[in-house]
Order: sequence, then structure tokens, then C-alpha cells
Amino acid sequence: GDSVTQMEGPVTLSEEAFLTINCTYTATGYPSLFWYVQYPGEGLQLLLKATKADDKGSNKGFEATYRKETTSFHLEKGSVQVSDSAVYFCALTPMGAGNMLTFGGGTRLMVKP
Amino acid sequence: NAGVTQTPKFRVLKTGQSMTLLCAQDMNHEYMYWYRQDPGMGLRLIHYSVGEGTTAKGEVPDGYNVSRLKKQNFLLGLESAAPSQTSVYFCASSPPRDNTEAFFGQGTRLTVV
Repeated sequence: GDSVTQMEGPVTLSEEAFLTINCTYTATGYPSLFWYVQYPGEGLQLLLKATKADDKGSNKGFEATYRKETTSFHLEKGSVQVSDSAVYFCALTPMGAGNMLTFGGGTRLMVKP
Repeated sequence: NAGVTQTPKFRVLKTGQSMTLLCAQDMNHEYMYWYRQDPGMGLRLIHYSVGEGTTAKGEVPDGYNVSRLKKQNFLLGLESAAPSQTSVYFCASSPPRDNTEAFFGQGTRLTVV
């Protein structure tokens, strides 16, 4: 079946550091790919998405590019802030499967001043 | 501006007790979902519904039942709680189109002792 693998955390960075969180997936066909973020005590929120190969999703300074050849969707940000501290989830939905999400295990990011 | 509301937010049950978690959304979404979140495993789909009066099993449905009697509400029931059901439960809703954002509630933390 479909699956998503993320780098394990926690990831601890200093403010203004560069962030990369790796995400790879296994799926048939052309799934849609998502990054969701969970701030402490809250539900998940959509951060960005990409629906076809080579698409780049971006939001709030975060970016991720859908790489079909490497089945990856790595999350990057050039300069993190303390307010970016959260848990980040990579997820996919198979083609034609509505919005039923398959999630990775999540990566906790801690940004120190 | 409520979005997706879950009740209760916290609950402690004894093994064998039953309970119902309520999810309500005010966005007129067709699709609704119940996920459970466990450390290192991301979120896993329990049950979902594509419309009023319809439900279907997700990845981990055993031990749970659901009902969607009204479009805005999606109930998750535990008939005989087990310690393995200790988890954080999230409800989500989305429009019926593929690749659209899913909106999540704030979660219910359930402990079964």
C-alpha cells in the first residue's frame, strides 16, 4: 500500500538557520503531496501542497518540490523563526481517492532564539 | 468562525467502558474523517464518510463504529474501550473535490486505563 517516510526528529535549529525535512513516498500512479503543520495544542493545518510532478508548493517562506523521479517532497525554509516550532507532517492522497490522507510519522522542529 | 469542533477535548475511560466522540463542522463539507495520532506513526485513518448517511472503513477501523446522521456531524464510538485505544483523535472535513485542503479539529486526548 501507499506509505510516507519522514526523517525522524526532533530537529533543533537556531533562529535564521536553513531547514530541510526529508520526505519520500511510495504510491502507485501520481498521488498529490502535502505538508501539514501542527502547532502545540492545535489540530493540523495545511502548509502547502503539490498535485503533479515538478510542481512547487510554497507558503510562509516554506517550499517543497514534487520530484517524481526520486519520489520525494522535501520541505525547506531559508531562515527559520522561533514561531516555526511545531510538528510537520508529510502526506499524500492517491489519485481519485478524495482527500483521504496517508501521513508520515511527523517531524518535530524546535527553533531556539 | 468555528470550523471543525470536537467534544470532549480530554477523557479518561476505564477498560470496557464506552463513549462517543462528537465532531461538528460548519463549512457544509461533504467529506468527514476520523484519524488517530500515535507517537512516531503520524495520523491513521479510522473511518470516513463521503456524505450524510454513508460511512466506510479506513486503515484501522477495528474497535470503532461511526455514524453520520446529519451532514454536519460525524460521531465516533468506542463500544468497549481498550488500553490500545489510548491516543489523540482528530476529526477532519473537506469538500468532495480531490486534492483540496482538509480542515482538522483540535483533537480529543483519550486515555484508557
